[in-house]
Amino acid sequence: KAGVTQTPRYLIKTRGQQVTLSCSPISGHRSVSWYQQTPGQGLQFLFEYFSETQRNKGNFPGRFSGRQFSNSRSEMNVSTLELGDSALYLCASSLTGTGKMNTEAFFGQGTRLTVV
Amino acid sequence: GEDVEQSLFLSVREGDSSVINCTYTDSSSTYLYWYKQEPGAGLQLLTYIFSNMDMKQDQRLTVLLNKKDKHLSLRIADTQTGDSAIYFCAESLLMFSGGYNKLIFGAGTRLAVHP
Repeated sequence: KAGVTQTPRYLIKTRGQQVTLSCSPISGHRSVSWYQQTPGQGLQFLFEYFSETQRNKGNFPGRFSGRQFSNSRSEMNVSTLELGDSALYLCASSLTGTGKMNTEAFFGQGTRLTVV
Repeated sequence: GEDVEQSLFLSVREGDSSVINCTYTDSSSTYLYWYKQEPGAGLQLLTYIFSNMDMKQDQRLTVLLNKKDKHLSLRIADTQTGDSAIYFCAESLLMFSGGYNKLIFGAGTRLAVHP
């Protein structure tokens, strides 16, 4: 079956702009989580969506937001981009996020965002 | 609290064993995971261990868990150049209020294998 698909793979934006990233989970998966990966901070949890509801949120400013659609596809949005937002944004999907097998997270290849 | 710590770098010679260490703080972790990230790729699940186990072996990989010290390690036997990657330790916390699990990742250990 198809894996987790993230689009676009690469993106260059200027400071002050906004950006929307997309993630299509594995078919049947209802939980989608987003992470920011930078060389200095490692893998930082942004938020998790399940059945169109955000049920967990990391420590990021309100400029970072997301949503999930009825088909479980998810988008994240970053407004008023800053240079420090340059990172690899990873999306992970899992069945429901509960229990052993459902907790296993499958990752997409990520979107590399560069803010100039 | 929720915190997972790993050393950032490890360099080994090809053919030797690699040991990547991880410490976590939350004793309510249910499962602990090791993920591998190759250059330009997302994370790939390597192996996991349930919190009531001490050891798990899977071909060249051995996971050791010391629950008392909250210490997890991944041993890679006969390390090859293809093992060069970033290895992430992660703990799965059961969120009792919501009945779901939350994954907490370490910063990742970059493994470099040299001839």
